Amino acid sequence: NAGVTQTPKFRILKIGQSMTLQCTQDMNHNYMYWYRQDPGMGLKLIYYSVGAGITDKGEVPNGYNVSRSTTEDFPLRLELAAPSQTSVYFCASSYGDNSNQPQHFGDGTRLSIL
Amino acid sequence: GQNIDQPTEMTATEGAIVQINCTYQTSGFNGLFWYQQHAGEAPTFLSYNVLDGLEEKGRFSSFLSRSKGYSYLLLKELQMKDSASYLCATNDYKLSFGAGTTVTVRA
Repeated sequence: NAGVTQTPKFRILKIGQSMTLQCTQDMNHNYMYWYRQDPGMGLKLIYYSVGAGITDKGEVPNGYNVSRSTTEDFPLRLELAAPSQTSVYFCASSYGDNSNQPQHFGDGTRLSIL
Repeated sequence: GQNIDQPTEMTATEGAIVQINCTYQTSGFNGLFWYQQHAGEAPTFLSYNVLDGLEEKGRFSSFLSRSKGYSYLLLKELQMKDSASYLCATNDYKLSFGAGTTVTVRA
């Protein structure tokens, strides 16, 4: 049971480039989330999804896009990379409406924009 | 929205007890989570409180007072492997995280 898998683990981008951060989970969770974590800061919610075909903005969505075509996959797209997007990105999933179900996190993608 | 405060750093000795406080102000509340995050790793779930009172799980306990907007995580019999960041997160059908408390355990 792999849980939540993120790829790549590390990436360096040039300003203006685009890329997709991949996230897949094998726990049949309905809810999936993307966070970014900057040094000394808490996790900030970028986007989330409550099921296939449904996505919604979180606290810091600008500069990002997501899609949820299947239950398993929730990719995060950066269209025009900016230095402010240098961060560690975590994908997470949970079983239900999160009232008492903990989120399970992937190992993160460390992204640098130069 | 959510406003969550927790201390930035704490240091304690192996075998001791440490209490990490978390205060929050929220427009909606549906429980509070504590997560542990070792440096360079993903957060992992520790505890969940939705009703007032103490929840105990082995060496770790978590307390909640909804009327005071206050929670704490108690780590007993500290071990070196407990050196990590501890994240408080309130649940309003989306999690809002505090900045985390870095605990350093010294021999």
